Order: sequence, then structure tokens, then C-alpha cells
Amino acid sequence: KNEVEQSPQNLTAQEGEFITINCSYSVGISALHWLQQHPGGGIVSLFMLSSGKKKHGRLIATINIQEKHSSLHITASHPRDSAVYICAVKDYGQNFVFGPGTRLSVLP
Amino acid sequence: DTGVSQDPRHKITKRGQNVTFRCDPISEHNRLYWYRQTLGQGPEFLTYFQNEAQLEKSRLLSDRFSAERPKGSFSTLEIQRTEQGDSAMYLCASSFDTPLGTDTQYFGPGTRLTVL
Repeated sequence: KNEVEQSPQNLTAQEGEFITINCSYSVGISALHWLQQHPGGGIVSLFMLSSGKKKHGRLIATINIQEKHSSLHITASHPRDSAVYICAVKDYGQNFVFGPGTRLSVLP
Repeated sequence: DTGVSQDPRHKITKRGQNVTFRCDPISEHNRLYWYRQTLGQGPEFLTYFQNEAQLEKSRLLSDRFSAERPKGSFSTLEIQRTEQGDSAMYLCASSFDTPLGTDTQYFGPGTRLTVL
């Protein structure tokens, strides 16, 4: 069993739809990151969470420490949101473990 | 540009050759991480430095891989006797250690290695 799992693996949405990407992990963590990777390969850090909820523009990230689960939501999705979204957790040993990513395509 | 930079951006080499990549982190960052990402996969942690000390090294990292951060600023990752399986994107990230022990990592553009 992978330490970090994401669902769905692939997601296609129509422009304007509300999108949810889920991340589950099995280890104790000190923080969880959501990353965005565009087709050119560049990775951008979207959020770092250790509890609760964060919002940035159309993006919302939540984490439930007890359930070892986090979600990334995108409201009013747009084609430029098309990317791979990666969940990464940081364990207490300072290691980062990355999920496999969710490939999102938003169609106009 | 004050972000993380990596050099070269692309490297093509023949099997058995040695290659070296460089990463320049954000200047005030004391942590520097190396990751490897193969096509269609998420990044894999390789190693990280706190200042010039290499604190963690993944068991995935064979003896052919070595990383240094001699002055606690830039870092190099060397791969000796490259194999075709080493073909991947090598990503560097940096962060600043906080008293809370949590940090946001900033990623460089990566070095894409192709071993023929």
C-alpha cells in the first residue's frame, strides 16, 4: 500500500465546474503540501497545511488530521487549471513522500 | 529572478558517462532537496541538506549518486556510470526551516536527463 494515495488519477471537467481532488495518507505527518505541475514540468507549491483549511483565490485546501485525509477544491474551473496536482506529506523524519498525482483537464 | 535555478535544463549523455547537475536555491533558504521524477510519476525524494550537512538520503539512491552542498549555498548532484534507468527529471527545491519545523518548498525548473 502506498503511503500517499490520490483520487481520482485522471479527471476531465467542463469549464466552470467545481472540482475536488482527494489525498489520503497512512503515516504521521507534520505538514501536507499541494503542488501543481504544468505540462512543461515546472512545479508550483499551492498550499502547505498542518490543520484546518486554506483558501487562495479559486483554490481551497482542507485537511483532516484524524482521518488522514486532505482535499483540494477548485471553484469555477478554467482550462488554465489543467495540470497535474500532487499531494505531498512531510513525515516527522523530514522526508517528503509524494502521491502519484491527479491529472486534471478542464475543457472549454 | 530570485527563484530556484538549475543547470543545465537538459542533458543528453551516453550510458556509462558521468553527469553533474547544479542547483542554486533561494539565497536565504537553509534547506535544499533533490528529487527525481520519471514520466507519469510523482517526484521521488532523493536527499536533502540542512545548510551544508546532508541529513537524509533515500534508500533508493544508489552508490552511483552523490550530492554535495559545500558552502551551504548551491548544491551539485553527480551520477556516475549513468544507466538508461537514470533518465528522468531531476528536481531541486529549497526552503527555510522554521521553529515550527514546517516549510514551504520552492521548486526549480528541473534538469531533464536522457541516457542513451
